[in-house]
Amino acid sequence: GIQVEQSPPDLILQEGANSTLRCNFSDSVNNLQWFHQNPWGQLINLFYIPSGTKQNGRLSATTVATERYSLLYISSSQTTDSGVYFCAVDPFSNAGGTSYGKLTFGQGTILTVHP
Amino acid sequence: EAGVTQSPTHLIKTRGQQATLRCSPISGHTSVYWYQQALGLGLQFLLWYDEGEERNRGNFPPRFSGRQFPNYSSELNVNALELEDSALYLCASSFSGGADEQFFGPGTRLTVL
Repeated sequence: GIQVEQSPPDLILQEGANSTLRCNFSDSVNNLQWFHQNPWGQLINLFYIPSGTKQNGRLSATTVATERYSLLYISSSQTTDSGVYFCAVDPFSNAGGTSYGKLTFGQGTILTVHP
Repeated sequence: EAGVTQSPTHLIKTRGQQATLRCSPISGHTSVYWYQQALGLGLQFLLWYDEGEERNRGNFPPRFSGRQFPNYSSELNVNALELEDSALYLCASSFSGGADEQFFGPGTRLTVL
């Protein structure tokens, strides 16, 4: 199956710093999503970005599908940005490029932002 | 617009018992997905239901099963509970099947004693 690797595994920042999280995947994908998991376990949608670039406030993301990677940028980080960030992909199936309907998650990046 | 809802929030069972977890998708969504997040194992896909049918299944034993009702809500049943079934179970929904954006509920934390 598809492999998803996130880096770095852990990231510690001072408030106000910028950061870049990376997601590499081993095969073509239908869907790529970035999530922030809050302390209670809920996954908060950040971006749905199988290709291209999107921005939402202090966060932006870029997916280069041909090179099989995605980047999540966090600018001017705040303590509330702390938590685990997951990248998840849905690969193309072998049967005509349809979807398996399942997300394969990376292991996550644990972000800690200190005041 | 209400998000994905799950019940119960917490569930405590003993080994060998059965657990039933419930999920209501976002209004208008027809696909429901179940994932397990066990300590140290990351998030793993369990099941995908669309229009009442099971469309895909992850690498889990048959004692993990579920169904989708005509109103698109879903149940996940875990029979013959084992200690390693203790995990956070997350449900997600999407507008239609496959590659659409998935939105997650708050989860049910299952503890097996």
